[in-house]
Amino acid sequence: QSVLTQPPSASGTPGQRVTISCSGSSSNIGRNPVNWYQHLPGTAPKLLIYSSHQRPSGVTDRFSGSKSGISASLAISGLQSEDEADYYCAAWDDSLKGWVFGGGTKLTVL
Amino acid sequence: QVQLVESGGGLVKPGGSLRLSCVASGFNFNDYYMSWIRQTPGKGLEWISYITSIGSYPYYADSVKGRFTVSRDNAKKSLYLQVNSLRTEDTAVYYCARYVVEPPAAYFDFWGQGTLVTVSS
Repeated sequence: QSVLTQPPSASGTPGQRVTISCSGSSSNIGRNPVNWYQHLPGTAPKLLIYSSHQRPSGVTDRFSGSKSGISASLAISGLQSEDEADYYCAAWDDSLKGWVFGGGTKLTVL
Repeated sequence: QVQLVESGGGLVKPGGSLRLSCVASGFNFNDYYMSWIRQTPGKGLEWISYITSIGSYPYYADSVKGRFTVSRDNAKKSLYLQVNSLRTEDTAVYYCARYVVEPPAAYFDFWGQGTLVTVSS
């Protein structure tokens, strides 16, 4: 059981906007920024969003992040087939003194 | 470009040991914290450990504390993870990642492709 809670799956059709949620607690998301990663099995995970809403250089602005209280979300607009992947949220946990991840959300583009 | 290449994984019996390595290129290795993260079969990501840029103050997840040891050799641009007393639940793909710490922000910005450790009798 992961410390951060994500829906196990999400889906959308090309061009749609999809949102993936990440729920935590006061010791992690409530106090610290959230990062989001995209992972295609067999490849290196990729940083999509850091500090809850910042995009690294080279990441398309179709990806956006937000945080409120003990929850965060990743939004993907203009959904494309290449977006089909697993998405993970992560945050530092002050109580556990370590990084915690969500269980991952498998995004399917229908 | 930034590259991280892990090696050293393999099949090992419960109670056994391995030394995982990660060779970095494309950036000044000395300037960055580094971290190990694993993904168990069919499950999500689990952070294991990080080490500062000069190799001090290693941090570990409780699940591996006392069994795993992280180290680095900046001259060789290499990160290591000594994994001892392996259990079946340690079976996973082990990733090394560059760890950026710019308070309050902190994140893993580049990852390797991983090395598979299988613990089985």
